[in-house]
Amino acid sequence: AQTVTQSQPEMSVQEAETVTLSCTYDTSESDYYLFWYKQPPSRQMILVIRQEAYKQQNATENRFSVNFQKAAKSFSLKISDSQLGDAAMYFCAYRRNNDMRFGAGTRLTVKP
Amino acid sequence: DAGVIQSPRHEVTEMGQEVTLRCKPISGHDYLFWYRQTMMRGLELLIYFNNNVPIDDSGMPEDRFSAKMPNASFSTLKIQPSEPRDSAVYFCASSYGGPYGYTFGSGTRLTVV
Repeated sequence: AQTVTQSQPEMSVQEAETVTLSCTYDTSESDYYLFWYKQPPSRQMILVIRQEAYKQQNATENRFSVNFQKAAKSFSLKISDSQLGDAAMYFCAYRRNNDMRFGAGTRLTVKP
Repeated sequence: DAGVIQSPRHEVTEMGQEVTLRCKPISGHDYLFWYRQTMMRGLELLIYFNNNVPIDDSGMPEDRFSAKMPNASFSTLKIQPSEPRDSAVYFCASSYGGPYGYTFGSGTRLTVV
């Protein structure tokens, strides 16, 4: 079964600095999709960024970018110019067909 | 689009009572998912539907849980009878098939006392 591991339960970053959240996954498949979701205290799950496994180019959405290493089964999220509003739980997710699995999450604190 | 709409936002009930959670997916999405989130187990997929048909309910914890999708715009998750260990946040999400992420509702926080 596919598993998603987020090894950092908590991370903190100074406002305006850059932080990288780690994620690894286990799969024998070659075709799948990876996601990062943000869950602020409001508990709404918000899609941050998406990566197709067949694409070598790393996805970017404004201040958010990923480092996708398919061979290493690694999918890290980089947040540049961190803002107070970035404080939240971040979940890495793996989707193949209609089975989406989530990691345990990383709680990000942003210090002013 | 109003997004995925869940109700109620909070539910407090006594052990043994029946609880019904409701979800309206995004119009046009052909997949609907029910997840449960707890501190101990994280986000767990309970069941999902494709075109209103239940496809995989292997995540439903036991027979006390049931889910229906009578039409493309409405789904329910029912717990009967409820137990304190059912206390969690229940999320509904919908999606197109393929490479898309899921759009989540705001969740229902269920507390069984």
